[in-house]
This record gives sequence, C-alpha cells and structure tokens, in this order.
Amino acid sequence: GAVVSQHPSWVICKSGTSVKIECRSLDFQATTMFWYRQFPKQSLMLMATSNEGSKATYEQGVEKDKFLINHASLTLSTLTVTSAHPEDSSFYICSARPGQGAGVSYNEQFFGPGTRLTVL
Amino acid sequence: GQNIDQPTEMTATEGAIVQINCTYQTSGFNGLFWYQQHAGEAPTFLSYNVLDGLEEKGRFSSFLSRSKGYSYLLLKELQMKDSASYLCAVLNTGGFKTIFGAGTRLFVKA
Repeated sequence: GAVVSQHPSWVICKSGTSVKIECRSLDFQATTMFWYRQFPKQSLMLMATSNEGSKATYEQGVEKDKFLINHASLTLSTLTVTSAHPEDSSFYICSARPGQGAGVSYNEQFFGPGTRLTVL
Repeated sequence: GQNIDQPTEMTATEGAIVQINCTYQTSGFNGLFWYQQHAGEAPTFLSYNVLDGLEEKGRFSSFLSRSKGYSYLLLKELQMKDSASYLCAVLNTGGFKTIFGAGTRLFVKA
C-alpha cells in the first residue's frame, strides 16, 4: 500500500512552453501533498505544500505564478511549470501524506518516482 | 533558522559497518527520518525516530538524541547495492513540513 505515482516520468520541452506534472496517491487519500525540486548532487528542496481544496503554500523564493499547483482531489495534485526555461530543468518529486485513520503513520510521507524535466 | 548537517561523502568497504551522522537545528521537532536515494530515483523510507534511543531494523539502525540535536544511521554488513545518498530529514511542528539535509553520498567498494 501507500503508492504514489507521477506522470510523466520524464519530459523534454522547448523554452517558453508550459509543462504539467501529475501526482497521484493510488491507494490512499492524501490530505497533503508536497512538491520538491532536486538539482544534481543536491538535496530535495521543498517548493510548496498543497492541501486539498485550498491554495498551496509556497516556500520563500518560489514563484507561485510560475509554478502553479492545483490539489483538486484527495488523490491528485498537479504542478504546472509555466513558460519553462533551461534553468527550470530539474528533477521534480512529489510526496503525499495520508490523512488520519489511513492505517499508516500520520507523519510519514510517500514519494512519487519523480519527473525529470529538461528544457531546451 | 533551520539547519541540518551531514557529511557530504563517505567511503566504506563491502562487509564493513558505517555510521552516517546528522546534526540539526530546526524550529520545532516532530521526528527525524532517514531516506535512501539512488541516483535518478525518488527517496525511499528507511527509518523514523521521534523518541531518544536506537531503533534497529535489519542491517540498518537509527539513533536519536533530541537534547543534542543529533542522529546517526548505522549500516552493517555493507553491500555494493548500499551505495547511494542517505538523506537526514526533520519533521517540524506546526506546518508539518519535512526539511531535508543535503545528503551523504556513500560509496561502497569491494
């Protein structure tokens, strides 16, 4: 149990285009989802916290108009990188935290497999 | 401020034991995680400590001292497949955010 999927697993796009990444919790309801970005040989940097039905909370320095997050249901959150540029090329990882009573540790979060974005 | 420190790289020999240390200073504390991450993959959960002491799980053990802001991950009987990055992460209170350290890249040699 507690599987999180991401789609696509990799994407290559031209500079100026927008890219949407989906994060789904497959067998549990996720009240909270997190979006991270990871550059090569660096750790995960939290970009934003997404709660179902409300606006995402962005970390300092993350442009909310550039990285649009929508958490429309308890099993789906999307990250849209608008007008992508080469410096946005990175590994984007989502994670999901189950709601209370889901049968797993409330504090644990489960990671998706990641999406590698390359902007030409 | 929030700060999580762990060594950048470590090298150990197959079959040996290695200890990866982590010190932290965070605004609030609601537990500490260790994750393993292979290159190009997402992190996988190894352990979660919220109380002081040692938690053992097979070849991996994790220790926590809240008063010292210190944790370590102990890997026994090292195998080549243990070559990976090991991430120390602290769950803070309030927003329930998990803050990650920069990770320790472990190289296991024959």
